[in-house]
Amino acid sequence: GAGVSQSPRYKVAKRGQDVALRCDPISGHVSLFWYQQALGQGPEFLTYFQNEAQLDKSGLPSDRFFAERPEGSVSTLKIQRTQQEDSAVYLCASSLEGGSALSYNEQFFGPGTRLTVL
Amino acid sequence: AQKVTQAQTEISVVEKEDVTLDCVYETRDTTYYLFWYKQPPSGELVFLIRRNSFDEQNEISGRYSWNFQKSTSSFNFTITASQVVDSAVYFCALSEALYLDSNYQLIWGAGTKLIIKP
Repeated sequence: GAGVSQSPRYKVAKRGQDVALRCDPISGHVSLFWYQQALGQGPEFLTYFQNEAQLDKSGLPSDRFFAERPEGSVSTLKIQRTQQEDSAVYLCASSLEGGSALSYNEQFFGPGTRLTVL
Repeated sequence: AQKVTQAQTEISVVEKEDVTLDCVYETRDTTYYLFWYKQPPSGELVFLIRRNSFDEQNEISGRYSWNFQKSTSSFNFTITASQVVDSAVYFCALSEALYLDSNYQLIWGAGTKLIIKP
């Protein structure tokens, strides 16, 4: 398909396990975002890539969270030693390139990965 | 600081009623973008509208209309003659994009859950 895809769609992990969440952006999209959406809340920014460069990771909640995009396309969000508070939907979005004061490139969202930590 | 407030946590109306979802935002910048997204039970975020801060003209798209008022920092969304299929969580979001290639992350409100009863 032509949209953003994420896998797995659902992940159940035991507390303390490591998990890896994958995002396949739209082909040719330069910018990639990860957001975390807790139950009943709006999404919150985690990190931003432009090609393979991680330009902003200010939203990552702890050093247990790590994201990469080594070849500038597929991205992986890794959470080490998962905790119950990590339970959320993790959304990935991609767009053509950075925005400016005069233009904005739409962010297209994937379906999300619902992570449940027991 | 940037902030988006959706004061209505949940709204329930009977089909065919009109309903308005409120959104109030805070930003220090003069150039910004405002958005509305729909999140149906399936979870995927569906883009509805984007508005540039320089364009205060209200917009109508079918049964949907948006009222952007910079004087009150509001960007309200009205659904006319609501239908059961409109039931979803609706998010208002804000993005500042001042510099080319900057991180134009979206700042989200908490969402309003809209229930349309048949």
